[in-house]
Amino acid sequence: GQSLEQPSEVTAVEGAIVQINCTYQTSGFYGLSWYQQHDGGAPTFLSYNGLDGLEETGRFSSFLSRSDSYGYLLLQELQMKDSASYFCAVTDDKIIFGKGTRLHILP
Amino acid sequence: GAGVSQSPSNKVTEKGKDVELRCDPISGHTALYWYRQSLGQGLEFLIYFQGNSAPDKSGLPSDRFSAERTGGSVSTLTIQRTQQEDSAVYLCASSFTDRDSPLHFGNGTRLTVT
Repeated sequence: GQSLEQPSEVTAVEGAIVQINCTYQTSGFYGLSWYQQHDGGAPTFLSYNGLDGLEETGRFSSFLSRSDSYGYLLLQELQMKDSASYFCAVTDDKIIFGKGTRLHILP
Repeated sequence: GAGVSQSPSNKVTEKGKDVELRCDPISGHTALYWYRQSLGQGLEFLIYFQGNSAPDKSGLPSDRFSAERTGGSVSTLTIQRTQQEDSAVYLCASSFTDRDSPLHFGNGTRLTVT
């Protein structure tokens, strides 16, 4: 079977840094993706890691360790507009999503 | 260009009726996915297509659910004899075949079974 674990909620302060972790168990693995979803909206792609290491895209970075079946999304210089749910997703033959982490940002 | 289009955006149906949900993917995208999302919950995998073939139907909750894709483009998800527990947002996404190609989601169909 496949399973992904991520925290259900995280709270951080505007301007700070927050890390959202994701651990996974899958029969096959090609890569780990992250998606953002605002309330009432559709998920949108943030990043993809196919190899170990850090991928950086502006204020967002994503990390993967295949040997540890672990990844994280790092959000820097938090803005109120970053309040959303964040999903990790594993690609094997299909793409399976975690249950999502709701990020609350305090002013 | 145009994004993924889903119709209808909202559907209210009576328990026991059949419904059809439609997804029009981005032109050229060979992979197409259906997910279900209940309020405040994660994305539950239902089925995916590569071209017109569905290699994995393991996520379909019951035999009341079926999906097809024709011409490597439009897909239809059909729910027969709807039940109240089928109420959710049904999301469709498409991508290129490459495994690192991101999914592009439609805005979903909100299904309410009364």
